[in-house]
Amino acid sequence: NAGVTQTPKFRVLKTGQSMTLLCAQDMNHEYMYWYRQDPGMGLRLIHYSVGEGTTAKGEVPDGYNVSRLKKQNFLLGLESAAPSQTSVYFCASSYQSTGMEPQHFGDGTRLSIL
Amino acid sequence: ILNVEQSPQSLHVQEGDSTNFTCSFPSSNFYALHWYRWETAKSPEALFVMTLNGDEKKKGRISATLNTKEGYSYLYIKGSQPEDSATYLCASPDMKTSYDKVIFGPGTSLSVIP
Repeated sequence: NAGVTQTPKFRVLKTGQSMTLLCAQDMNHEYMYWYRQDPGMGLRLIHYSVGEGTTAKGEVPDGYNVSRLKKQNFLLGLESAAPSQTSVYFCASSYQSTGMEPQHFGDGTRLSIL
Repeated sequence: ILNVEQSPQSLHVQEGDSTNFTCSFPSSNFYALHWYRWETAKSPEALFVMTLNGDEKKKGRISATLNTKEGYSYLYIKGSQPEDSATYLCASPDMKTSYDKVIFGPGTSLSVIP
């Protein structure tokens, strides 16, 4: 099984450009999450989804939008990229409520905004 | 937002030494605590999900204890090996908002010197 797959792995954008990060999981998990990882700050939750068609805000949602049109996919969008969004982005999924279930992570997307 | 703290921020030990580090979380409304290991250039991998006061989990040379009344968990590594070098994250659901929203601590970076 591929598990959690993130595309692309690397991307460089100019300020103001838009892009979408794709997360796909093949484990039939209900819950999916987007995090950003910055030096000294661990993982911070951007948005999450508890099932197909649902989304909810995390700790740092501003400047990002998400969609979960299909159960296996969770998309993270940057409408107008800013240098402050330079980060490594991780997607994760869990079978059910992540309070009791561990999360399975993708390999990350390294995004640089110039 | 739930405040999950970890100490120390970093740790250097000699191969063969045993070590431990701490995750602190608010004791009220406890639901669960997760431990993850995050090796450089890889994605976080789940070690334990802990739910009961007094719970103790073990996986090889790594074990964890939980005290929900005082709001802390210890992770122990017995006889550290170079392959144990990683960042260790703890995480807990933010019960004030939603048990689906998991908040991560900043991590403890462990370096094992051969």
